[in-house]
Amino acid sequence: SYDLTQPPSVSVSPGQTASIPCSGNKLGNRYVHWYQQKPGQSPVLVIYQNTKRPSGIPERFSGFNSGNTATLAISGTQAMDEADYFCQAWDSITHVVFGGGTKLTVL
Amino acid sequence: EVQLVESGGGLVQPGGSLRLSCAASGFTFSTYWMSWVRQTPGKGLEWVAYIKQDGSEKYYVDSVKGRFTISRDNAKKSLYLQMNSLRAEDTAVYYCARDVDSSSWYYSEYWGQGTLVTVSS
Repeated sequence: SYDLTQPPSVSVSPGQTASIPCSGNKLGNRYVHWYQQKPGQSPVLVIYQNTKRPSGIPERFSGFNSGNTATLAISGTQAMDEADYFCQAWDSITHVVFGGGTKLTVL
Repeated sequence: EVQLVESGGGLVQPGGSLRLSCAASGFTFSTYWMSWVRQTPGKGLEWVAYIKQDGSEKYYVDSVKGRFTISRDNAKKSLYLQMNSLRAEDTAVYYCARDVDSSSWYYSEYWGQGTLVTVSS
């Protein structure tokens, strides 16, 4: 099996940059995708293929993936960005794997 | 507008069965891989199964193999999940998702609102 590890929580002050890591063995050799989930809502794709933003996702969301760690960065974090964030990767053996999720708190 | 609407969730006893449905609209259903992803209340996401456009390939997480069956009806633009021999640990919100696939990546581009399955006596 393949595991993705995320910290349970990350805190950030409004207007600062939030960084949410996702680690896995040689994760940089895979494509990583990120989902945002607000309370009571379905997940929303915010970053795909490591660095790309879907239409409608603000430019303050960015992604990076190298080595064993992928990172979701949110610059100029706003109160509306407070949510759970999940990383996800795929391979033809394990298929779809999600990280355990990180709760982002905007203090 | 892409819409995915799940139905069929509810309360079922351990060992029982349930069939989830997902009605798709706003896109050409037959051209996309589709998947089911579940989320235990208050916990993380777990991929359950996915199915190729024509239904010729299906894959499952180990914990549901032999108990769950994913299927689709492209004429009805619908995705299904037949769940048998249900266990308490299958209790979760089940999401239907439209996926993007390639030889190097796979991810869920759109998600439904989810349907709650509760397995309890």
